[in-house]
Order: sequence, then C-alpha cells, then structure tokens
Amino acid sequence: KAGVTQTPRYLIKTRGQQVTLSCSPISGHRSVSWYQQTPGQGLQFLFEYFSETQRNKGNFPGRFSGRQFSNSRSEMNVSTLELGDSALYLCASSLSPPSGGGYNEQFFGPGTRLTVL
Amino acid sequence: GQNIDQPTEMTATEGAIVQINCTYQTSGFNGLFWYQQHAGEAPTFLSYNVLDGLEEKGRFSSFLSRSKGYSYLLLKELQMKDSASYLCAVRVSPNSGGYQKVTFGTGTKLQVIP
Repeated sequence: KAGVTQTPRYLIKTRGQQVTLSCSPISGHRSVSWYQQTPGQGLQFLFEYFSETQRNKGNFPGRFSGRQFSNSRSEMNVSTLELGDSALYLCASSLSPPSGGGYNEQFFGPGTRLTVL
Repeated sequence: GQNIDQPTEMTATEGAIVQINCTYQTSGFNGLFWYQQHAGEAPTFLSYNVLDGLEEKGRFSSFLSRSKGYSYLLLKELQMKDSASYLCAVRVSPNSGGYQKVTFGTGTKLQVIP
C-alpha cells in the first residue's frame, strides 16, 4: 500500500507570492490533517479535513487555507508569503479523524520544505 | 489552551533504558499519543494512551497518569537507531463544544551514544 505523498518536496518562493501544496492520503483514508513544523515551535496544527469538510482549524492567519476533494486528496494554500512561513509542511492521513476520539494513528507524508526569501 | 512540556534534549547509552517525560495542563483530556521522528523524516506513530497505566509494545512502553497530567515513554535496550525526536501529543475536547483537537509538544531529541 502506498504511503502518504506530498508534492512538491521542496519549494522556494519570495515574499508576497502564494503557494499551493498537495497531499495524497493513503488509499482508503478519508481524514487529512496539515501541520507546520519549525525548529522553535515544533509541530503546529493547521487544518483537519474529513470527507471534504474542514473539522478543525489551528491558530493561523487567514492567509492559510485548505480544501479536500472527493477523492480525499487535499491542498493547502498560503497567500502573501512571509519570511516566517518558511517551514516544513507535513500532511497526515488516517482512517478516522483525530478529532473524532478513540484510537487514531496518523500516517505522515515526507513533507514539503518551503523556503521564503 | 493546553501546555505540553517535554525535555528538549536527552542523551543515553546504547543498551540502557531511557524514560522521556511529558507533562500537560489541560481540561477535556481525551488521549495522549507518542510519535518518533528521525532527522529529516516524517513522524511515525508509536503509542496511544487514554486510560491510566502502562502500554507495552516491544522495547517501547508508554505510561499515563490522567490525575497527574503525566506520561512517559520508556525505551529499553537502546539501539543507535533510536536516536530521534520523540513527540508527545494530547487530544482535548474543547469546553465550548466542537471537535476535539490534537496538540503536539515541541519534542525531545534523544541521542544514543555507544
């Protein structure tokens, strides 16, 4: 079974630009969560999607948005990029949403390394 | 909100036992997860605790005390490949209702030395 895939793996952008990151979950997984990881802050929760619905959102500005498609693939978009947005963006998929309670194992993708210059 | 505290770094010797602690202050607690993350790689799931007690899985065990807001991950017979960051994550039901949320700690970087 293929794992979680994320594209692109590396991205370099300049301030003010926008970026779209893509995540394909493990086949059969309907829940996708997005996280931002930086050395100082650790793993910060961005969004959680389940069956095309956003169930949860972290404390990030409105420049960060996302969506999930009917095939469970998900995208996140960051507009008007800032230097502080430089980070590793991780996507995780699971059978059931982490917000739903119970045993929940998230499978993480390799991440997209975004550098904002 | 919730506070999750873990030591930033730890060093242990190959073959030894190491305990990585995680403390949290939150209401609406509904489960604690441990993940392992090797440098440059994605986190991988290790364990899930929701009731008090010890869960053992091979060389790794995870303990939870809900009344004390405390968990630990115990690694036995340490191997060099265990050098990684260990992330504690807590799931919380918000007081105001709505969906539960999983929050990660900043992780403990473990270095195993010969």
